[in-house]
This record gives sequence, structure tokens and C-alpha cells, in this order.
Amino acid sequence: QKEVEQNSGPLSVPEGAIASLNCTYSDRGSQSFFWYRQYSGKSPELIMFIYSNGDKEDGRFTAQLNKASQYVSLLIRDSQPSDSATYLCAVPTGGFKTIFGAGTRLFVKA
Amino acid sequence: GAVVSQHPSRVICKSGTSVKIECRSLDFQATTMFWYRQFPKQSLMLMATSNEGSKATYEQGVEKDKFLINHASLTLSTLTVTSAHPEDSSFYICSAAGLAGTTDTQYFGPGTRLTVL
Repeated sequence: QKEVEQNSGPLSVPEGAIASLNCTYSDRGSQSFFWYRQYSGKSPELIMFIYSNGDKEDGRFTAQLNKASQYVSLLIRDSQPSDSATYLCAVPTGGFKTIFGAGTRLFVKA
Repeated sequence: GAVVSQHPSRVICKSGTSVKIECRSLDFQATTMFWYRQFPKQSLMLMATSNEGSKATYEQGVEKDKFLINHASLTLSTLTVTSAHPEDSSFYICSAAGLAGTTDTQYFGPGTRLTVL
């Protein structure tokens, strides 16, 4: 069974620090990887996606992918209290289906 | 681009009644729509996947006769919770995929909070 694993947290970081969120996946054939942010009581919103090994930067966010280790991470630089949310890692499996991790709760302390 | 709306955002109904939730992709044609349910402090649970013009594919344990899904057009899918009971109270979220020809990226609607009394 294809799986996506995340540490549930909470991950607590001080304001201005780098938050590092990690995700591992079981399907070696996976080609694309997504990060969503979900605030409490709201629906998920897409932050970014990554297809190729290495880093992809978008503003304060950097996604890192290592297909050999089946590992994808999201770094948030200069963390702000408004970044406090649950971050979901998502891996499409093909056939219209995406496996979501259970999410990591991030808490940024002011 | 990639805006998905849901209606209603919140609904309270009596036990035994049916509730219809609409999901619309406002600025792109969604070849595939997904319906999720999320209980408080729990992760997303995929209920079903629907492709325009064909029957929805339900996940194991989801009753297709209770959760009726219709994907009549490339911009509209509906979920009807039939004979709702208090245990059906949850946050129902749809997502749409198909922008730029890929179904990998899902864009979520704002969700519908259902409370069954």
C-alpha cells in the first residue's frame, strides 16, 4: 500500500527561525510532490510543488526533493506567527488519486 | 486562476434529511473532482473521485447510496448526503483538478461544515 508519512508535531519554532517539515513516501515511481497548508477550520491551500531532485524556491518557501531517499521537505525561512498551520505533503499516485500525509502542525512563537 | 467554490459554507439540518453540497471550478475546466471529509483534528479522508460524465469511484467504507455524487459538467460536482445522521456531521471539502491538462494538482474549495442535529 502506498504511503506518505509525516511527523504529526507540533513543531514549534521561534519567530524568524527556519521551520523544516519532512515527508517520506513509499512509492518509488512517484514523480510529483505537493505541499499544502491548512489553517485550523479552513481547507487546504496549495503552497508549491516539486518534480525534480534538488531544491525549488518560492519566496520564503523552499521544497527539497531526494528521490533516491524517497524524501521531500519544506523549509520556511523567517517563520512568522501567520505560518502557524498544518502542512500536508501530497503525492499523486497516478490514476487520478493523490495520497495525503496526515500533516505536521507548525507553531511559530512570537 | 484555479478558484474553486463550495456552497453552502455551513449547513445545519435535522436528522433524516438530505443535504446537497455544490462544488464549482470557477475559472478552469475540472476533469476530475474529489470529495473529502475531515473530522476535527484529523487528517483528510478521501471519500470519492468523480470524473465528468462518469460514475464516481468511492473509497472503501464509503456508502455510495448515502453519499451521492454527480459530476454533470466540467465545472460542477455535487455531493448529496442522504438521510443524514449526527455522525455525518463533519467538514466536507471538494477539490478540482485538470488545470493545464494535469490532474496531479488539486485546488480545494473552502469547505462545507455540516451539522446534523
